[in-house]
Amino acid sequence: GAGVSQSPSNKVTEKGKDVELRCDPISGHTALYWYRQSLGQGLEFLIYFQGNSAPDKSGLPSDRFSAERTGGSVSTLTIQRTQQEDSAVYLCASSFGAGPNQPQHFGDGTRLSIL
Amino acid sequence: GNSVTQMEGPVTLSEEAFLTINCTYTATGYPSLFWYVQYPGEGLQLLLKATKADDKGSNKGFEATYRKETTSFHLEKGSVQVSDSAVYFCALSDPTEGNNRLAFGKGNQVVVIP
Repeated sequence: GAGVSQSPSNKVTEKGKDVELRCDPISGHTALYWYRQSLGQGLEFLIYFQGNSAPDKSGLPSDRFSAERTGGSVSTLTIQRTQQEDSAVYLCASSFGAGPNQPQHFGDGTRLSIL
Repeated sequence: GNSVTQMEGPVTLSEEAFLTINCTYTATGYPSLFWYVQYPGEGLQLLLKATKADDKGSNKGFEATYRKETTSFHLEKGSVQVSDSAVYFCALSDPTEGNNRLAFGKGNQVVVIP
């Protein structure tokens, strides 16, 4: 399809394990964003990529969280030593550029559950 | 910092009723404003946007006007349908940040009863 694709759609893992979440943006979109949606905190910004670089990582909640983007396309969000408070829906969005007239297109998210 | 506030609680109304969802914002710069919608089982979709004061965004019968004097961007629809049942999020981006990241309100669940 032509939309933002995220995988897996659901992930259940034990506390302390590492997880990797994948985002495949719309082709040609240079800007890529990760957000987290949780019951207590609502929708929160995590990190922004322009091409392969991440000029804004200010939303990452701790050093257990990291993300990379390769080839100006696919991005992976890695959470190390997962904790129960990491349980949330992780959303990826992409846009053609990073200006206010460039709408962000969202994927369906990865629902992460930490046991 | 930048923030968005939406009215508390779900909204339940009958088909063909008038819908209003309040949204106010705080921003250090001159933000762009958005409404996103999340239908059951689907991802977030942009519903409408406005990028400067007094602009009116509209789509699918929904409207919202950027009011700088009251720092508001209330969402309205004159006659809702069952298919409008969804969660609605107000959001802003601050162009001075240079990255278009979105700050969201908590969202409002809208349930339209036939």
